[in-house]
Amino acid sequence: GNSVTQMEGPVTLSEEAFLTINCTYTATGYPSLFWYVQYPGEGLQLLLKATKADDKGSNKGFEATYRKETTSFHLEKGSVQVSDSAVYFCALGSNTGNQFYFGTGTSLTVIP
Amino acid sequence: GAVVSQHPSRVICKSGTSVKIECRSLDFQATTMFWYRQFPKQSLMLMATSNEGSKATYEQGVEKDKFLINHASLTLSTLTVTSAHPEDSSFYICSARTVEGGAANEKLFFGSGTQLSVL
Repeated sequence: GNSVTQMEGPVTLSEEAFLTINCTYTATGYPSLFWYVQYPGEGLQLLLKATKADDKGSNKGFEATYRKETTSFHLEKGSVQVSDSAVYFCALGSNTGNQFYFGTGTSLTVIP
Repeated sequence: GAVVSQHPSRVICKSGTSVKIECRSLDFQATTMFWYRQFPKQSLMLMATSNEGSKATYEQGVEKDKFLINHASLTLSTLTVTSAHPEDSSFYICSARTVEGGAANEKLFFGSGTQLSVL
């Protein structure tokens, strides 16, 4: 079946530190992979996505590469800012796009 | 781990009919549940926040009389799309929040979604 395992938080970093949030998945077929972000008091927003193996999604300085060999989609950012404080969700979309499977979310707090 | 069951996964209905979507937390109590919808190629959009035993809080632009939300117990929330029309065709997904063990342990678990097609 399909599932997503995400690094548990909370994660606290100093401004300009390097960020990695691990995400691995199990899936049948060839799913799409997503990272969503939820800022305090807001709904989920799509951060980036990748639709096939070796694709790299990127947005706002964040990157994640769809690694089929390691079944991973780790989120990285070279230099975090206070405004990046949020909860990050890794998600897998089924082949048909009819179902989503989310990780449990990782809370990130960036301190000045 | 915690599981949120959402049912049905896919539903096709005629215009004018009502459709009920259920969201259940199977092994934890969810004081708060969220309902999202997603149009093709767009991000999830929060529709409403539902707290057990009280009225749901709807986001701006979401018709509360059209999208009825009931959160009668700590493990079940339902979304009813009343008098559905083709423009209501979308992907609906619920999530359940648990704060068992304190606020620092807050977690969010998602259902797998419901694809609604209104003919």
